[in-house]
Amino acid sequence: SYELTQPPSVSVSPGQTARIPCSGDALPNQYAYWYQQKPGRAPVLVLYKDTKRPSGIPERFSGSSSGTTVTLTVSEVQAEDEADYHCQSADSSGNDVLFGGGTKLTVL
Amino acid sequence: EVLLAESGGGLVQPGGSLRLSCAASGFTFSSYWMSWVRQAPGKGLEWVAHIYKDGSENYYVDSVKGRFTISRDNAKNSLYLQMNSLRVEDSAVYYCARTLGSYNDASGYSYYFDYWGQGTLVTVSS
Repeated sequence: SYELTQPPSVSVSPGQTARIPCSGDALPNQYAYWYQQKPGRAPVLVLYKDTKRPSGIPERFSGSSSGTTVTLTVSEVQAEDEADYHCQSADSSGNDVLFGGGTKLTVL
Repeated sequence: EVLLAESGGGLVQPGGSLRLSCAASGFTFSSYWMSWVRQAPGKGLEWVAHIYKDGSENYYVDSVKGRFTISRDNAKNSLYLQMNSLRVEDSAVYYCARTLGSYNDASGYSYYFDYWGQGTLVTVSS
């Protein structure tokens, strides 16, 4: 079955750049979406269609895509960015929704 | 302001049933796909099901097919999830989410979630 793979954790110091990859065989043909989730809270959409930011999401959040890997980049990381980040996409039919396992971003 | 409020969670024995509800406000409910997404304690997100604007289409993750039914009542701005034959592995926080579709020339439509409720906890245990 099709899967999306994320590293369990990424750590960066404040002010540095965090990069969170997500890999999956269908990603060259499917959009990726990213959600931020803080402890005890519902997920929040931070990127859609690989690179687009919803209203209210800081420009520090950006996305890129290369082959079977998409990457969420958080520039000038702040303490408030510490959270779990989940990538999401679809299978080849588009009808099934898939999530990666999530990556915990720790701000040192 | 878009608001989604889930209810109906609780403790149920394996093999039992539960019906979750999601009350929507702040947007034209009948104009959107809607979905249920769950998250087991300490685990990642898992899409459960989604339903078309008028309820005429629905899709499920394989693990719940034949046991769960997603439905909606556009007159009441409400989304539902009927869960039967519950298993211990169905224990999770269940989120209701407003759903959008994106069209890609290479692969057609895919779906994502722009607003989420706060979730309702379902615990399946004897």
